[in-house]
Amino acid sequence: EAEVAQSPRYKITEKSQAVAFWCDPISGHATLYWYRQILGQGPELLVQFQDESVVDDSQLPKDRFSAERLKGVDSTLKIQPAELGDSAMYLCASSLVGGRVDTEAFFGQGTRLTVV
Amino acid sequence: AQTVTQSQPEMSVQEAETVTLSCTYDTSESDYYLFWYKQPPSRQMILVIRQEAYKQQNATENRFSVNFQKAAKSFSLKISDSQLGDAAMYFCAYRSANNNDMRFGAGTRLTVKP
Repeated sequence: EAEVAQSPRYKITEKSQAVAFWCDPISGHATLYWYRQILGQGPELLVQFQDESVVDDSQLPKDRFSAERLKGVDSTLKIQPAELGDSAMYLCASSLVGGRVDTEAFFGQGTRLTVV
Repeated sequence: AQTVTQSQPEMSVQEAETVTLSCTYDTSESDYYLFWYKQPPSRQMILVIRQEAYKQQNATENRFSVNFQKAAKSFSLKISDSQLGDAAMYFCAYRSANNNDMRFGAGTRLTVKP
């Protein structure tokens, strides 16, 4: 069964360091989402891609966060410099575009980031 | 952007009983999709059930069913014959059919008592 792959699963970094997360969506899924989930809360959308284009990054703290999906397939989310408040689970999800079937997003296992 | 509200941070149900989780949303769109996702502790987010806004019939998936009231912008999840494995965080989600924007509620933690 096709899955959304994310790596690493866990990351511990010191504040002010750079950190990057990688996501490989399900093959054929044009829409890719990055969410941040603080423990005990709901996922917060950081950025949404349609193929290689950013559709929505209004909630992305652009002074320190960046995201790219250069070839419209896999994606990287970067934080530089990391701050203590960035400690959270970072979730990647993908979905098909349009249509009336398979409208849900499929999630990866996430990357748990701890900033010390 | 659309907002999704889950007003029950925690719910508890006795095994084999029925529980209903609430969700409301705010949107000006007429075409959209609604979902309930389940997130077990330290595990992946998985889809429980989906509802297309253009469909009047409420969706059902085995023990899971929804009460979708479009005019009231309400979308509740009913779990029948609750099982220990149903214990998890449940998230209500809204997805725009226009731009695929997808937003989540704050979640409801469901505990199932044996």
